[in-house]
Amino acid sequence: ETGVTQTPRHLVMGMTNKKSLKCEQHLGHNAMYWYKQSAKKPLELMFVYSLEERVENNSVPSRFSPECPNSSHLFLHLHTLQPEDSALYLCASSPGQAEWGSPGELFFGEGSRLTVL
Amino acid sequence: AQKITQTQPGMFVQEKEAVTLDCTYDTSDQSYGLFWYKQPSSGEMIFLIYQGSYDEQNATEGRYSLNFQKARKSANLVISASQLGDSAMYFCAMREPRRGGSYIPTFGRGTSLIVHP
Repeated sequence: ETGVTQTPRHLVMGMTNKKSLKCEQHLGHNAMYWYKQSAKKPLELMFVYSLEERVENNSVPSRFSPECPNSSHLFLHLHTLQPEDSALYLCASSPGQAEWGSPGELFFGEGSRLTVL
Repeated sequence: AQKITQTQPGMFVQEKEAVTLDCTYDTSDQSYGLFWYKQPSSGEMIFLIYQGSYDEQNATEGRYSLNFQKARKSANLVISASQLGDSAMYFCAMREPRRGGSYIPTFGRGTSLIVHP
């Protein structure tokens, strides 16, 4: 069982809908991430939160809105999406600012497969 | 410019044989970390192995080893005694220092490995 849980696992929505993706980590980590994984593209970093503050935002369209109410939960609010936004959205967590000498690897959830019609 | 290059979109290997997955990287930093992740069809990215740029020994984790050649900027993953369950996508990633002190990995496009019985 993964320490990072994402819901829903699958989501189909129309372009005018509003929905949210949820991520919860049970690992006591301080940093959480949203990645987008499209077919034939590298993993794209969308947002990073460290201690509930956004530290990275890679020029993501405003139709994606993240929310991090506490260090264990991360949301991605979706509205007026486009068909090209269909992808696997992966949430990850890490201990936080990595100390050199320790990996600081990311722990991923199983992803939310989003289809925009 | 692409920071992580994985030139093999797909690889095939016979069960119980060894296989090498290639990864080259580009950085001007002296301190960085290299990772390999496995992504089975379920979608979850699983951390496999880590190599720090100052580590003199090649990293090993069970059947996984990382062939680190710093001068050539390569970090190939070697899987010994392949098993059917090794069939998955494999991603190479690099973590380097960024503004604000955050350490966020950049991922390659991945290599699809299929293990034949």
